[in-house]
Amino acid sequence: EVQLLESGGGLVQPGGSLRLSCAASGFNFGSYAMSWVRQAPGRGPEWVSSIDASGGGRYYIDSVKGRFTISRDNPKSALSLQMNSLRVEDTALFYCAKHSGTVTRPIDYWGQGTLVTVSS
Amino acid sequence: QTVVTQEPSFSVSPGGTVTLTCGLSSGSVSTNYYPSWYQQTPGQAPRTLIYSTNTRSSGVPDRFSGSILGNKAALTITGAQADDESDYYCVLYMGSGIWVFGGGTKLTVL
Repeated sequence: EVQLLESGGGLVQPGGSLRLSCAASGFNFGSYAMSWVRQAPGRGPEWVSSIDASGGGRYYIDSVKGRFTISRDNPKSALSLQMNSLRVEDTALFYCAKHSGTVTRPIDYWGQGTLVTVSS
Repeated sequence: QTVVTQEPSFSVSPGGTVTLTCGLSSGSVSTNYYPSWYQQTPGQAPRTLIYSTNTRSSGVPDRFSGSILGNKAALTITGAQADDESDYYCVLYMGSGIWVFGGGTKLTVL
């Protein structure tokens, strides 16, 4: 059974940093692209960033480029998102998600999410 | 910037059939966009229903189906049940590793 367990969310002041983590199990982690998707309160999901299976290809939504960095540790089946220069509008539930293949293939599994709140 | 469009709301009678659509503000949706559909109830993570146009995710009943209808992707629910009342989101692949979600459709079963 595929399981994705996020952690690292919390309350941070504008301009601060957080590092989200996702522990994956139940599949061959190193064979699949992974993503972070966020959902602000009362709104729909928004794709944030993807990383290909090897970690060589990384992709970001324009609003987080230069502030967020996605990474993965395949031997540890772990995905991370380093978030710097956080803004109030980054407040959201952040989901770790597995793609059904490469980054060009859709998400097929989601975690339960970790909440990030950016507020003074 | 291309926007992914969905009906804001839809209603269906129990046992009825409903088709939700996913389009583009400019252009037509094709299989090359790998349209996918997710169901979300309040307080829960999204659940994958359909990916890559018409592939049903594990455990999803066959009354959920995906297709391309005209210039849009479509999610059809046949024999609607009360617990189908949810928000439904589509997502499209825009190339260069970028995915864009639609704004979602709130489905009411009554």
